[in-house]
Amino acid sequence: SAVISQKPSRDICQRGTSLTIQCQVDSQVTMMFWYRQQPGQSLTLIATANQGSEATYESGFVIDKFPISRPNLTFSTLTVSNMSPEDSSIYLCSVERGEFNTEAFFGQGTRLTVV
Amino acid sequence: DAKTTQPTSMDCAEGRAANLPCNHSTISGNEYVYWYRQIHSQGPQYIIHGLKNNETNEMASLIITEDRKSSTLILPHATLRDTAVYYCIVRAPHINYGGSQGNLIFGKGTKLSVKP
Repeated sequence: SAVISQKPSRDICQRGTSLTIQCQVDSQVTMMFWYRQQPGQSLTLIATANQGSEATYESGFVIDKFPISRPNLTFSTLTVSNMSPEDSSIYLCSVERGEFNTEAFFGQGTRLTVV
Repeated sequence: DAKTTQPTSMDCAEGRAANLPCNHSTISGNEYVYWYRQIHSQGPQYIIHGLKNNETNEMASLIITEDRKSSTLILPHATLRDTAVYYCIVRAPHINYGGSQGNLIFGKGTKLSVKP
């Protein structure tokens, strides 16, 4: 298994500002992902965080709005930029070892409210 | 879009078996069936996964039909703490093993309510 620490666990932010969310894993992992879960909805994949290179974004998500860093195999950050109330969601970090037939582990999420 | 179909909600009496169905009629030959659950205000938790044989672990059993077009997750003795949204997901193995990227695509899941 993998233990994932996400910070902050929750925050209330003013519109127009940015928030950086951190994801720290207790062991090296090949794959790290960022998800968004809007109120009452399921999880939507934002991007795959690639070590040492630009993240791979899913349709509907762009780097200018959600810049991602991954400096090593145990750490990644997601920034939510120029926030609006529509960005109020839970943001979750997920990791996988990238080996055959293994499961994903999720952090507890960051609950963001934009006012 | 998710490649699975699940009932929106189900109820189960505490101590009884909870049987959660999932349809995945377009599953490909190398795609696995994964189950996760999300308890309120927590991140998703892995439960079990399988390819074509039935699987059992300390949490649950997974029954996959012979044609692989549907499966059932069984919680043998449901407790109140099993109340959660259960997600059935199909995905290919990691790209290093001849599959795709294998991203998890979450559907709406089944909200299971275990009642006393």
